[in-house]
Amino acid sequence: EVQLVESGGDLVQPGGSLRLSCAASGFSFSDSWMSWVRQAPGKGLEWVATILHDGTAKYYVDSVKGRFTISRDNAKNSLFLQMSSLRAEDTAVYYCAKDKYGDYKDWGQGTLVTVSS
Amino acid sequence: DIQMAQSPSTLSASVGDRVTITCRASQDIGNWLAWYQQKPGKVPKLLIYKVSSLESGVPSRFSGSGSGTEFTLTISSLQPDDFAIYYCQQYNTYRTFGQGTKVEIK
Repeated sequence: EVQLVESGGDLVQPGGSLRLSCAASGFSFSDSWMSWVRQAPGKGLEWVATILHDGTAKYYVDSVKGRFTISRDNAKNSLFLQMSSLRAEDTAVYYCAKDKYGDYKDWGQGTLVTVSS
Repeated sequence: DIQMAQSPSTLSASVGDRVTITCRASQDIGNWLAWYQQKPGKVPKLLIYKVSSLESGVPSRFSGSGSGTEFTLTISSLQPDDFAIYYCQQYNTYRTFGQGTKVEIK
C-alpha cells in the first residue's frame, strides 16, 4: 500500500523559510516522479512542483519559481520542498503526491503552512 | 502556461439526476486530462485519467469524454455520495488544475 506522510508545516512570518518533508513507502520511490500540490483555505488545488525520479529535472509553477526548491533523497525514500521568501498567499495545505503519468492517484494527508505575522 | 476553466462553478442537482461538468483548456492538451473528486476535509480522489479511463474502484456512473481543448465529466445518475467538489487537471505541459465545480444538493 502506498503511503505518503508529510511533515514540517508550521506558522511562519512573511519572508521566512520552511522545509517540508514527505516520507514515502509501499512503492518504488526511486522509480517515481513526485509532486507537491497545495490548497489554500477554502480554495482549489494548485500544482506547485514536480521532480523526476532521479532528480535530474524539476518543474515549478511560476508563482514559486526562485523561492521554492523541490528535492528528493532516494536512499531515504523522502521528498522535500524548501520554501523561502514566504508570502501570505503561500498559506495552504501542502500535499505530497505520487505522479502516475502526470495525474495523481496517491496523495498524502497534507501539512498546513501558515504565513502570518 | 495552460489555463483550465471549469463550468459551472456550482451545480445544484437532485439524486438520480444526470450531471455534466465542462472543462476547457487554453490550448490543445491532447488526451492528458484527469478528473478528481474532493469532499470537505479529505484528500482529492482520482476518478478519471487520460480523458476517459476510469480509475480502479470508481463507480461506472462516472465517465469522461472530450479531446483537444474541451472535456466533460458526466455522472449518469447522481448518488448521495457524489455531492462534492470536482476538479479537472491537465498534464500535457506541467500540470494545471481547474478552479473546481461544487455539486450541491438541490
